[in-house]
This record gives sequence, C-alpha cells and structure tokens, in this order.
Amino acid sequence: AQSVTQLDSQVPVFEEAPVELRCNYSSSVSVYLFWYVQYPNQGLQLLLKYLSGSTLVESINGFEAEFNKSQTSFHLRKPSVHISDTAEYFCAVIFYSSASKIIFGSGTRLSIRP
Amino acid sequence: NAGVTQTPKFRVLKTGQSMTLLCAQDMNHEYMYWYRQDPGMGLRLIHYSVGEGTTAKGEVPDGYNVSRLKKQNFLLGLESAAPSQTSVYFCASSYHHNTEAFFGQGTRLTVV
Repeated sequence: AQSVTQLDSQVPVFEEAPVELRCNYSSSVSVYLFWYVQYPNQGLQLLLKYLSGSTLVESINGFEAEFNKSQTSFHLRKPSVHISDTAEYFCAVIFYSSASKIIFGSGTRLSIRP
Repeated sequence: NAGVTQTPKFRVLKTGQSMTLLCAQDMNHEYMYWYRQDPGMGLRLIHYSVGEGTTAKGEVPDGYNVSRLKKQNFLLGLESAAPSQTSVYFCASSYHHNTEAFFGQGTRLTVV
C-alpha cells in the first residue's frame, strides 16, 4: 500500500538553530510532493510543493525541501528557526497511480525553545 | 474570498445520533475531500469527490456517507454516531489532482 512516513512525531529545537523534518514515501513511482503547516487551532496551509523540475524547492519564509527520488524522500529544512515556526508540519504525497488522493504523513510537531 | 468554509465549527453528539457536516468552496474547484485528524495519526481520507455528482471512498469510509449534489458543496454525514468518530474533521478542495489543496478551519466533533 502507498504510504507516507514522517519519522519524528516531535522535534524540539532552540531558536535560531537549524532543523530538518524527515519525510519518506513508499514507492518510487512518479509523485507530487507537498509540505503543509498547521498552526494551533487552524486548518492546514501549503508551505511548499514539488511537481517537476528543480529538486530543491523553497518557501517564502525560509524553509526548503529537496526531492530525492532514489531515497524516496522529501525532507524539510530551515537553517535558522524562529519562535513563530512553532506548528505541526505534514508531508503529503500524490502518487501518479492514485492521482485523485492526497496521502498525508502523521505529522511532526516542531517546538521552538527560546 | 471565503475559500473553504466548514459548518459547524464545534458539535457534541450523543451515541446513535446523526448529523451532517457542511463544506462549501467558492473557488470553482473540481476536487473535494473529507479528512479526519486524530493525534499521532495525521490526516486520514474519509471520502473524496472528483466532480459534481461523483464520490469515492478513501482510507476510512466506514460509518460515513457523502454527497456532492452541487460543485461547490460536499456534505459528510454520520448516520449513527459512535465515540470512535470523535475527531477533528477537515474539508479540502483543489482545482486539479496535482495542485494545492485548500483546507477549511475544521469541525471539532465529540461523540459521548
């Protein structure tokens, strides 16, 4: 079955430290890849996406993610986090073979310590 | 521009009661989805629709029904609520299957 795995349920980091949130998916078939962010008591918002082209994609608030086809990964990184980045982050994948369904990972809660 | 609107935002049901969650989008999107979010389990797809008049089962469809009579609306029904259906429900829509999904603010449902 197609699946998305986020290896860390919680990631605590200090403010201004770098962070990496890991995401792996189950199949090497063609995919569309997304990272969504959920702030407390809100719905999900798109952070960044990979559809095709450059394997490194960036968001407007300093996050980036790299598509690695051989590793079937799409890890999210930020070189220096801020208190306002505290949120839950979800990796999501659309597998070409099931084009109508977005499959989400279980989420990673990022907590920033001052 | 309202985007995706869910009603109600909160609801408490007794076991065995029925209810309908409403989702409306004003972006002329073809695709609409219903997810449930539970701690440690991420979002799980309940049902989805690829256009007006169509519905399909997702990952966890049991105990739920849906209808898409109008393109802008996607209704999620619970025929006989159970405590296991206590969750936060999110509706989402997208223009195409490979484009960004827009989410509503969620409905927090408690079944006692």
